[in-house]
Amino acid sequence: QVQLQESGPGLVKPSQTLSLTCTVSGGSISSGGYYWSWIRQHPGKGLEWIGYIYYSGSTYYNPSLKSRVTISVDTSKNQFSLKLSSVTAADTAVYYCARAPDRGPIDYWGQGTLVTVSS
Amino acid sequence: EIVLTQSPGTLSLSPGERATLSCRASQSVSSSYLAWYQQKPGQAPRLLIYGASSRATGIPDRFSGSGSGTDFTLTISRLEPEDFAVYYCQQYGSPWTFGQGTKVEIK
Repeated sequence: QVQLQESGPGLVKPSQTLSLTCTVSGGSISSGGYYWSWIRQHPGKGLEWIGYIYYSGSTYYNPSLKSRVTISVDTSKNQFSLKLSSVTAADTAVYYCARAPDRGPIDYWGQGTLVTVSS
Repeated sequence: EIVLTQSPGTLSLSPGERATLSCRASQSVSSSYLAWYQQKPGQAPRLLIYGASSRATGIPDRFSGSGSGTDFTLTISRLEPEDFAVYYCQQYGSPWTFGQGTKVEIK
């Protein structure tokens, strides 16, 4: 059974960089065939795809966030990470990491972590 | 990018009733790349339907998906108490997009 777990600061100051890590267990990122993703949900709102990464390092980002987003992978630790720069209060959200098979829907999600942007 | 518009925003129904949720795309979506998710408060979404009409593992057969092109539907044949939740459609072409959600609430 694949499990994903987000970790990182729950509070980030405006203009700083939000950094989160997703640790994957029960499956290897380097085995290929999956996209490892970040999705966020503003309080009381819908889901917003941030981007995803393939084990090889290829990345795809939401065009609306592309200038501020970096997703990276560390296959040795079976982790992938999100960095979102120049954050504002509008970036306050629950951030989910997730897995999707190549050309498939999201089949596993982390539990989500709330990140608040505030001074 | 493909914009997905879900309707209605809220559906008020009683247990045992039939729920019909709509997801309309701004341009054609390959039927292979349309999914539906259920989300309950405080939980991550759960995959219900993929490929527009295929049920995910463990999903009861009261959930069904249909549609093609730009119009897709999620039907819950008889609502159970645990089905009251928010439902999202997603197209997983490139880039991914989600609909804004439909809340199914108890009438």
